[in-house]
Amino acid sequence: AQSVTQLDSHVSVSEGTPVLLRCNYSSSYSPSLFWYVQHPNKGLQLLLKYTSAATLVKGINGFEAEFKKSETSFHLTKPSAHMSDAAEYFCVVRTGGSYIPTFGRGTSLIVHP
Amino acid sequence: GAVVSQHPSRVICKSGTSVKIECRSLDFQATTMFWYRQFPKKSLMLMATSNEGSKATYEQGVEKDKFLINHASLTLSTLTVTSAHPEDSSFYICSATTGTGDTGELFFGEGSRLTVL
Repeated sequence: AQSVTQLDSHVSVSEGTPVLLRCNYSSSYSPSLFWYVQHPNKGLQLLLKYTSAATLVKGINGFEAEFKKSETSFHLTKPSAHMSDAAEYFCVVRTGGSYIPTFGRGTSLIVHP
Repeated sequence: GAVVSQHPSRVICKSGTSVKIECRSLDFQATTMFWYRQFPKKSLMLMATSNEGSKATYEQGVEKDKFLINHASLTLSTLTVTSAHPEDSSFYICSATTGTGDTGELFFGEGSRLTVL
C-alpha cells in the first residue's frame, strides 16, 4: 500500500521569501516521488522527481526537494518565491508493486507582492 | 520533453448528449494512460487506467458504461461521457506514461473542461 499526505492545504508567502511545501509518504517498498505544479485550468507539469538516486533533487524554476527516508518526507522548497509560482502543487508517490500513482490532496501556494 | 495533447480543452453540451475527449501522446508511445477527474479546489481522482489493446480498469465507484474509455493505439486514448448530466460537469485530465514499473514519468494533458447544461 502507498499513500501521500500534503500537510498544508494552503501556504501563503511574500514575494522574495522562501517556500516550503510539505509532503510525507508511506509505502511498503522503496518509493519514487514526484512534485507536479498545476496552474489554473491547466494540466500538470513535472517539477522534479526522486527515483532512488541522489536524495537532494533539483527541479525546474529553482525548486528542489530532499528525500528523507528516516522521516518519510519529500518536502519541496524554493529560496525565493516569485509571483509566477502561485499555483497548486501536488506530491505524488509510485512504488514497486503498484504502478498506479497516488496523489496528495494538493497545496495551494499563494504569493503576495 | 514528451508532449500529451488533450482535445477539446473546453466543451459545453446539453444534458443527455455524449461527449468524446481525446488524449494523444505526440512524440512517444504511451504504454499506459490514466484518466482523472478533478473537482474545484480538489485533488485528482483516478477514474480508470487503460493499456493499449485491452479493456480499461475502472476505479471503484466509476461507472464504466457511463465513462467509456478506448485505448486503440499506443498514442491515443479516448474518454466518452455518455448521456451526460450536469453532475458530470468537471475538469478531466489524462496522463500518459512510457515506463513500466514505478519510475516512469507521468506526462499530463492540458485538461478538458466539460460543462453540461
